[in-house]
Amino acid sequence: NAGVTQTPKFRILKIGQSMTLQCAQDMNHNYMYWYRQDPGMGLKLIYYSVGAGITDKGEVPNGYNVSRSTTEDFPLRLELAAPSQTSVYFCASSYPGTVNEKLFFGSGTQLSVL
Amino acid sequence: AQRVTQPEKLLSVFKGAPVELKCNYSYSGSPELFWYVQYSRQRLQLLLRHISRESIKGFTADLNKGETSFHLKKPFAQEEDSAMYYCALWYQGGKLIFGQGTELSVKP
Repeated sequence: NAGVTQTPKFRILKIGQSMTLQCAQDMNHNYMYWYRQDPGMGLKLIYYSVGAGITDKGEVPNGYNVSRSTTEDFPLRLELAAPSQTSVYFCASSYPGTVNEKLFFGSGTQLSVL
Repeated sequence: AQRVTQPEKLLSVFKGAPVELKCNYSYSGSPELFWYVQYSRQRLQLLLRHISRESIKGFTADLNKGETSFHLKKPFAQEEDSAMYYCALWYQGGKLIFGQGTELSVKP
């Protein structure tokens, strides 16, 4: 049981490049989330999904896109990377039907845009 | 707008001293609140949730709707409690937002 798996762990992008951060969970969780963590700013919600085919914006969605074609996968797409997107990105998932149980986090992706 | 505020970036106490990490929220509906913890080089993990009124690792948190607060407390801090602590608010059928986090440092 792998839990929540994020790839890659580290990445350096040039300004204007695009990339996809991968997130997969094997716990049959309906709810999945993407956060970014900046020093002193806590975690900011980028996008979330309550099930396959359903996504919604969080607090800071600009510059990002997501899709949820399967229950297991929730990739985050960065188009035209900017230095402001330098951050640590976390994917998370929770038990079916409710987030009142527990949120499982991935190990994070450290992204630098130079 | 919904918001979670943790006013202290760093809280430093001595071992055995009481600890209170503050959390205030802004939400017009009925809140679902949580505390998450991140130990050094580990993933974020759930510490406790208000709905279950539990005590984990000696920590408790009481929801005060009048003061819109959900402060985390422990009567006697231990060195192994040193970590980042995040307060979180769940609302609107799936959104979960976090505060800025408080770093707790427990000195020997």
